[in-house]
Amino acid sequence: ETGVTQTPRHLVMGMTNKKSLKCEQHLGHNAMYWYKQSAKKPLELMFVYNFKEQTENNSVPSRFSPECPNSSHLFLHLHTLQPEDSALYLCASSQDHGSGAAYGYTFGSGTRLTVV
Amino acid sequence: QKEVEQDPGPLSVPEGAIVSLNCTYSNSAFQYFMWYRQYSRKGPELLMYTYSSGNKEDGRFTAQVDKSSKYISLFIRDSQPSDSATYLCAMSSILTGGGNKLTFGTGTQLKVEL
Repeated sequence: ETGVTQTPRHLVMGMTNKKSLKCEQHLGHNAMYWYKQSAKKPLELMFVYNFKEQTENNSVPSRFSPECPNSSHLFLHLHTLQPEDSALYLCASSQDHGSGAAYGYTFGSGTRLTVV
Repeated sequence: QKEVEQDPGPLSVPEGAIVSLNCTYSNSAFQYFMWYRQYSRKGPELLMYTYSSGNKEDGRFTAQVDKSSKYISLFIRDSQPSDSATYLCAMSSILTGGGNKLTFGTGTQLKVEL
C-alpha cells in the first residue's frame, strides 16, 4: 500500500462518545499533520508532528488529542465533541529537509466526521 | 484580513477554455507556493509547486507567482471536464520547532462543461 491512508472514511458519533481517527503513511516522510476542512472555510491546521515530536498545536480544544507513536502513524483521539466539530479531518505527511523547503504535503482522503 | 484570499466561485467554463485561478496573500514570510486539486470526497493532491517569482509550466498547467504584488495564479489551458474540481492555493512558512505549515485559501470550485 502506498501514500497516506486514513481510517475510518466516515464516522458518526454522539457527543459523549470517545473515538479515534487513524492515519498511516507509507512514504518515509518525517512530518505528519492533522487538518480540519469545513464547508466554505480554508483548511485549518490543527497539529504538526516532526520526527514524532509535536511542534505545533494551533490552539485546538483539548477534546481533540493527537498521538504520534512513530513517524509513520498518527492518531486523533476524540471525546465529548460538539456538533460544530463535524467536518472532514485530513491527515497529511511531508519530508522536512530542515532547510524550510516545503515540498508539498501528501494528503489522505480524510475522515468525514459527523457529531450528533 | 485573511492571510490568503481566494474567490470561492463556482466558476463554470466550456470545454477547451483557458481557466485563470488566483490568490492574494498578505504574509511576506510565505516562501513556497502551491496549487492543490481536490475532487469530491478525496483529499487534496499537489498540482504545482513554485518558489520564486515567475512562471512554471507543467503540461496544460502554468503557475505564476508575483511576490512584489503578493499574487499567485494558476492557468489551465484546453480545460477538460476531468479538470472539474476545487482548486486550493497554499503557501508555506517555516515552523520554529521543525516542519512547515501550509496556509490555504478557501478553494475555487471549477466546473468544465461539455
